[in-house]
Amino acid sequence: DTGVSQDPRHKITKRGQNVTFRCDPISEHNRLYWYRQTLGQGPEFLTYFQNEAQLEKSRLLSDRFSAERPKGSFSTLEIQRTEQGDSAMYLCASSSRTSGGAGEQFFGPGTRLTVL
Amino acid sequence: LAKTTQPISMDSYEGQEVNITCSHNNIATNDYITWYQQFPSQGPRFIIQGYKTKVTNEVASLFIPADRKSSTLSLPRVSLSDTAVYYCLVLVISYGQNFVFGPGTRLSVLP
Repeated sequence: DTGVSQDPRHKITKRGQNVTFRCDPISEHNRLYWYRQTLGQGPEFLTYFQNEAQLEKSRLLSDRFSAERPKGSFSTLEIQRTEQGDSAMYLCASSSRTSGGAGEQFFGPGTRLTVL
Repeated sequence: LAKTTQPISMDSYEGQEVNITCSHNNIATNDYITWYQQFPSQGPRFIIQGYKTKVTNEVASLFIPADRKSSTLSLPRVSLSDTAVYYCLVLVISYGQNFVFGPGTRLSVLP
C-alpha cells in the first residue's frame, strides 16, 4: 500500500504526559499537512511542510505542539503536557506541489488520541 | 479567520441529484476550492477541485461563481454508499496561510 500511513492508530495517555505521532507521506509528495479533528467538526489545520521546511503554523496552535519533518520524508507531531482538550483525531495528509495549496491532499487514517 | 458555512445535514433518496453549497469569504484568489468525502473513522477522501466556473469528473461536478464566495458540489444519482460527511476546503490568507475546512454536511441517502 503506497498511501499515507500514521502510527499509532490509537493512543491513550494521562494528562500531563508527552505524546508523539508519526506520519509517512506518499513517497513522491513534498508537502505534508497536520490537522486535528474533534467529533462532529471539520478538520482544523495545524501546520504544513514543504520538504523539510515548516511553511506555516496555525496561530491558534498552542506552543505545546511541535512538528518536524527531518530530511523531508516522514513527519512527527509532538504534544507536550497533554490536556484533556487535546483529545481528538490527528490527521496527516500529503500532496505534490503541483496540486496547489488547497488542491488534492491524500489523508492518512489518523491517530486517535484520548487524554484521561 | 475567514468563516466557511455549509448546511449541517441533507437527506436524499437513491438516484436523485444532490447539491451541497459551501459559502466562503476571504479565500485566496489564486488557489483551488476542494471538496472531500469522509466516512466514520477514516480520513477525508478527495472528490473534486476547481478554481472557477464548472469542473466535472467521473463522480461529481463543482460549480464556482465568478466572485468565488461560494461553491456547489453536485453529486448525480446518489446511492446508499454516498452516505457520508462532505467538506469544502479553501485556502485563506489571513495571518499567514490557513487551510480551512467547512463544518461539513452530513448526507443521508435513503432507499
